[in-house]
Amino acid sequence: SQQGEEDPQALSIQEGENATMNCSYKTSINNLQWYRQNSGRGLVHLILIRSNEREKHSGRLRVTLDTSKKSSSLLITASRAADTASYFCATVSGYSNYQLIWGAGTKLIIKP
Amino acid sequence: SQTIHQWPATLVQPVGSPLSLECTVEGTSNPNLYWYRQAAGRGLQLLFYSVGIGQISSEVPQNLSASRPQDRQFILSSKKLLLSDSGFYLCAWSVIIQETQYFGPGTRLLVL
Repeated sequence: SQQGEEDPQALSIQEGENATMNCSYKTSINNLQWYRQNSGRGLVHLILIRSNEREKHSGRLRVTLDTSKKSSSLLITASRAADTASYFCATVSGYSNYQLIWGAGTKLIIKP
Repeated sequence: SQTIHQWPATLVQPVGSPLSLECTVEGTSNPNLYWYRQAAGRGLQLLFYSVGIGQISSEVPQNLSASRPQDRQFILSSKKLLLSDSGFYLCAWSVIIQETQYFGPGTRLLVL
């Protein structure tokens, strides 16, 4: 079964609004990574957060990690049409032989 | 800077035909290399990874095989394609296992 499960599966918001996506996982992890995929393209790494970190920022992106709840969230502030994409979380742990285990993704649509 | 190439971009093949997808990385040495498959609207499934020339680890038993004949070349092959082999195939590399991965543009394979 998948380690990371994103929620919601799809999200549609107006340009300028904030978008929040969540990722839940089942086992303890070494790190959790967020990636973006534009339609039909390869994935682009956004942020890596380690198990001893609680929050990381990169530009308009903010990622939080709550290891007690086994969950992470990705916040995109002041969304733009170019943020339209699918967003995936991937977890790494010894249980997965340190390979990335991927969720099914959240499809984000930003309406102009 | 590092770049990763995959070809072809799209491929339509009949059932029972052979397959060869190639991935090459430039600008780095001794990368960890990965082959993933992504079904429509789903997350990524790790197929193979390699930590060095001739070293291949298979994650999922299947109709496919992988080879790494050179440090920065990773090849995905099949002797006889099945309908279920259709999908989006992504190659990726990383400096360190369990850390950030960098993806190629992908190959869309349709088996008819």
